Amino acid sequence: GDSVTQMEGPVTLSEEAFLTINCTYTATGYPSLFWYVQYPGEGLQLLLKATKADDKGSNKGFEATYRKETTSFHLEKGSVQVSDSAVYFCALRTNTGNQFYFGTGTSLTVIP
Amino acid sequence: SQTIHQWPATLVQPVGSPLSLECTVEGTSNPNLYWYRQAAGRGLQLLFYSVGIGQISSEVPQNLSASRPQDRQFILSSKKLLLSDSGFYLCAWRPMGSNYGYTFGSGTRLTVV
Repeated sequence: GDSVTQMEGPVTLSEEAFLTINCTYTATGYPSLFWYVQYPGEGLQLLLKATKADDKGSNKGFEATYRKETTSFHLEKGSVQVSDSAVYFCALRTNTGNQFYFGTGTSLTVIP
Repeated sequence: SQTIHQWPATLVQPVGSPLSLECTVEGTSNPNLYWYRQAAGRGLQLLFYSVGIGQISSEVPQNLSASRPQDRQFILSSKKLLLSDSGFYLCAWRPMGSNYGYTFGSGTRLTVV
């Protein structure tokens, strides 16, 4: 079945460090891919998305490229800030289904 | 613009008590609606989704039920809460038939004691 495998955390980085959170997926057809962010005490917010192969989603300095050949959608940011501390979820939506599949989430803590 | 409201934000309930969490969406019609649960240290689990009034699909058999009495209202209920029902509950919506991601509510943190 369809699924998302996400790098386990927690991840702790110093401010201005480079961030990569790995995400790979298994799906039939051509899914859309998403990254969601959950700040402490809040619900999930859509961070970025890509709907077809080779698309690059970007927002707030974060980027992720839809790689069909490696079935991956890794999240990257060149220079993290303390305010980026949150839990990040990778997700996919299949074109044939009516639901999303989420990864287990990766907790990121950025220290000054 | 579309907004989603979910309440209450936090709830502490004794074991065996009933539960009712409400979610409403504004600024759109005929949305797909979803209830997710995030247990401590775990990922999101889809509980229910609805594509229309009175249409509820359950993904996981459990102690909870959902109802959609109006187009933009989605309610999560339980007759008798269990300790294992504790968690963070999220309502979400998505336009019918679209390829957009979800928009989530702010969540309800439920603690069953």
